[in-house]
Amino acid sequence: DAKTTQPPSMDCAEGRAANLPCNHSTISGNEYVYWYRQIHSQGPQYIIHGLKNNETNEMASLIITEDRKSSTLILPHATLRDTAVYYCIVRAANTGNQFYFGTGTSLTVIP
Amino acid sequence: GAVVSQHPSRVICKSGTSVKIECRSLDFQATTMFWYRQFPKQSLMLMATSNEGSKATYEQGVEKDKFLINHASLTLSTLTVTSAHPEDSSFYICSARDSMGSGSPNTEAFFGQGTRLTVV
Repeated sequence: DAKTTQPPSMDCAEGRAANLPCNHSTISGNEYVYWYRQIHSQGPQYIIHGLKNNETNEMASLIITEDRKSSTLILPHATLRDTAVYYCIVRAANTGNQFYFGTGTSLTVIP
Repeated sequence: GAVVSQHPSRVICKSGTSVKIECRSLDFQATTMFWYRQFPKQSLMLMATSNEGSKATYEQGVEKDKFLINHASLTLSTLTVTSAHPEDSSFYICSARDSMGSGSPNTEAFFGQGTRLTVV
């Protein structure tokens, strides 16, 4: 699986949009971009995933660049409960493939 | 979303004893489940892939005789930490994907709430 690079930490003011970047310059054509987050002492929570089109759900938006070498997770109105470690993972579309986690970005939402 | 349940959520055991952790997919079937370990302030490290009806596949450096994995049904995988030592104290997390669902090969994985193991 392609390696991802994320900033180790970020702060965001409560109520503002949180934009979390991820670089995946070696991504292959069949690899999807997944985002998970982990709140302290809990299991990871699925947020969103995409291949090449931008995606939006009730939690977040995922913007993938045209060359697919980077993406941005957007939390439109961050709340204190969004404080967590956010992981960007690229993974091939195969039912047996595992998810390998990098170091992620520790997002702190500030009141 | 789909639910993966782990039990117990927290366990303390004596050094030298064995501990079993259960991972269940509650509303879907999973031919494959995954076991992770997470030490404080570190990321999740994949330990092994649990395959229903066959042997588990272990990541490099993970002792298969120490971390016994059984995946006897499509909704249950167990991880047994044998002869536990203090250095095995960690946060163990399982995940599973719906292998019988919509048919899409790129479905997300769902994670359990984790098991905090403390070996004293």
